[in-house]
Amino acid sequence: NAGVMQNPRHLVRRRGQEARLRCSPVKGHSHVYWYRQLPEEGLKFMVYLQKENIIDESGMPKERFSAEFPKEGPSILRIQQVVRGDSAAYFCASSLDWGSPLHFGNGTRLTVT
Amino acid sequence: EDKVVQSPLSLVVHEGDTVTLNCSYEVTNFRSLLWYKQEKKAPTFLFMLTSSGIEKKSGRLSSILDKKELFSILNITATQTGDSAVYLCAVTSGTYKYIFGTGTRLKVLA
Repeated sequence: NAGVMQNPRHLVRRRGQEARLRCSPVKGHSHVYWYRQLPEEGLKFMVYLQKENIIDESGMPKERFSAEFPKEGPSILRIQQVVRGDSAAYFCASSLDWGSPLHFGNGTRLTVT
Repeated sequence: EDKVVQSPLSLVVHEGDTVTLNCSYEVTNFRSLLWYKQEKKAPTFLFMLTSSGIEKKSGRLSSILDKKELFSILNITATQTGDSAVYLCAVTSGTYKYIFGTGTRLKVLA
């Protein structure tokens, strides 16, 4: 009964490098959401994926950010050419179907130096 | 634009006090409202409300939804230091998103 697993927990990148954040949803969940959280702020929606499909990426910047949820393996949030403003906690959540309660991972804290 | 607003932003109480947290929303095609508790890490699910006027209860926590006035409240009675956390409200709508408010930071003093 593993919950949502995110790794790494902490990631430090220099400006210009790439960051890859991984998320394995709860077993049997096919809906994955990525959120970004800044200190003292709420969760900002980035992208909603189902297996092999991006359903809604309206919260994700069009440049440098991409997400995937392949048929096999974890969902990946990829940030290319990171900048200091990308420093934040990135949370992944999964649900059994749309509208069901989201189950969250412990997040990846990205620091860009 | 869909919006979820929580109040107060922060709250400090003493153990044993009762607190009421508020969540108001403006969304297209409202489906449900959810409450989460976030301590240091992952938000954990508390309640999901879809119908007006029906109270959901779990121990000292309870919540109710008013779909006419577009808000929900989360009550915590006999607060304990372990209730200290950020409480997040989220709303689902016809756009497939779960839209979160900025949260209420609750601190319970011993």
